[in-house]
Amino acid sequence: DAGITQSPRHKVTETGTPVTLRCHQTENHRYMYWYRQDPGHGLRLIHYSYGVKDTDKGEVSDGYSVSRSKTEDFLLTLESATSSQTSVYFCAISGAGRPAFFGQGTRLTVV
Amino acid sequence: DQQVKQNSPSLSVQEGRISILNCDYTNSMFDYFLWYKKYPAEGPTFLISISSIKDKNEDGRFTVFLNKSAKHLSLHIVPSQPGDSAVYFCAAKRNYGGSQGNLIFGKGTKLSVKP
Repeated sequence: DAGITQSPRHKVTETGTPVTLRCHQTENHRYMYWYRQDPGHGLRLIHYSYGVKDTDKGEVSDGYSVSRSKTEDFLLTLESATSSQTSVYFCAISGAGRPAFFGQGTRLTVV
Repeated sequence: DQQVKQNSPSLSVQEGRISILNCDYTNSMFDYFLWYKKYPAEGPTFLISISSIKDKNEDGRFTVFLNKSAKHLSLHIVPSQPGDSAVYFCAAKRNYGGSQGNLIFGKGTKLSVKP
């Protein structure tokens, strides 16, 4: 959808390798989020950002780090991927007082 | 512990009839609730929301009801259409205003609307 782009859309990686997922927005929204979706769990918040260089942990942050050096980009890094991190990852953005808008998702498989 | 519960994993409804999706929550600090709709291989799409100061919010065929005393909300779709077939997620947050994306989601209910 216009306004938010996730890359890559699909990735297969090996256990123990680092992986970085990118979220890019063109809406100039202050808030950005990373969620993961797994069967039986719905969506769970990993990390979020409330401004450039301002980030905080979500519900399931262990094993993940994030960075936001520009308003438009929010990166999610798996320092050493594990099979338990196989999931679909969604980025979301929101302006103050507005509902979150989600990207198309990145399907990550760790083998 | 699940703070937002959608106890029905699936629901099947005939086209033209009403679909009622239910959601329960346990955290009394939640004061803003949202419903998202998700098609396969796509991101969730915002559908409708309600703040805790209201008990009903309507948008076209979609109405959300909130019963604070029961910590229960429901989404009504009338009339249901085949294109409504999707997974519906209930979500909740604390502190209306500010960051609207810091959400607690239920596990989702898969709605199938049959022609």
